[in-house]
Amino acid sequence: DQQVKQNSPSLSVQEGRISILNCDYTNSMFDYFLWYKKYPAEGPTFLISISSIKDKNEDGRFTVFLNKSAKHLSLHIVPSQPGDSAVYFCAASGNQFYFGTGTSLTVIP
Amino acid sequence: GAVVSQHPSWVICKSGTSVKIECRSLDFQATTMFWYRQFPKQSLMLMATSNEGSKATYEQGVEKDKFLINHASLTLSTLTVTSAHPEDSSFYICSAMRQWGGRTDTQYFGPGTRLTVL
Repeated sequence: DQQVKQNSPSLSVQEGRISILNCDYTNSMFDYFLWYKKYPAEGPTFLISISSIKDKNEDGRFTVFLNKSAKHLSLHIVPSQPGDSAVYFCAASGNQFYFGTGTSLTVIP
Repeated sequence: GAVVSQHPSWVICKSGTSVKIECRSLDFQATTMFWYRQFPKQSLMLMATSNEGSKATYEQGVEKDKFLINHASLTLSTLTVTSAHPEDSSFYICSAMRQWGGRTDTQYFGPGTRLTVL
């Protein structure tokens, strides 16, 4: 069974607006969470991470929020740019890595 | 949902020995599997693309004689790290592409194998 879920397979956002990508997990023992960005024919690129002791981590246009009680994390991209169009994977780790199935983001110019 | 497993989840070996890591798609067939290496807080580095019944395609800089890949069936790919050295210590993650209704679906990742070479 999937321990990390991304329930939206795709998302379209207008350039300049906010993109919000969501991720849910089931295992409360996960202590580290990551977001990756993947272009076609390339490996996933590390984007941003957050430890379970925090509830927010910001890096430029990218912010990750962690809600441990809801077992939910989200990635906010503000403002969205066409170059952000890619597949975004969330992952959680304890002793192993668990990846979501990805959300394909399309930023419309 | 689609599940990809890896075995073992953690292996410790002595320098100079070889280690085999298995990647299995449990409930779907995968003609294509990928092998990645994960360094802490870094991107997943694609090592090779494994196609069932044919030779793997290695990325530039990856030694094919050191990292042997075999995709013997539609549900199993193996990565063998030969003559392992401490610098090979890392997380190795596989993913499998699911074919669905004649189309390629998405990538499903395995949980990773932590290799520690003493």
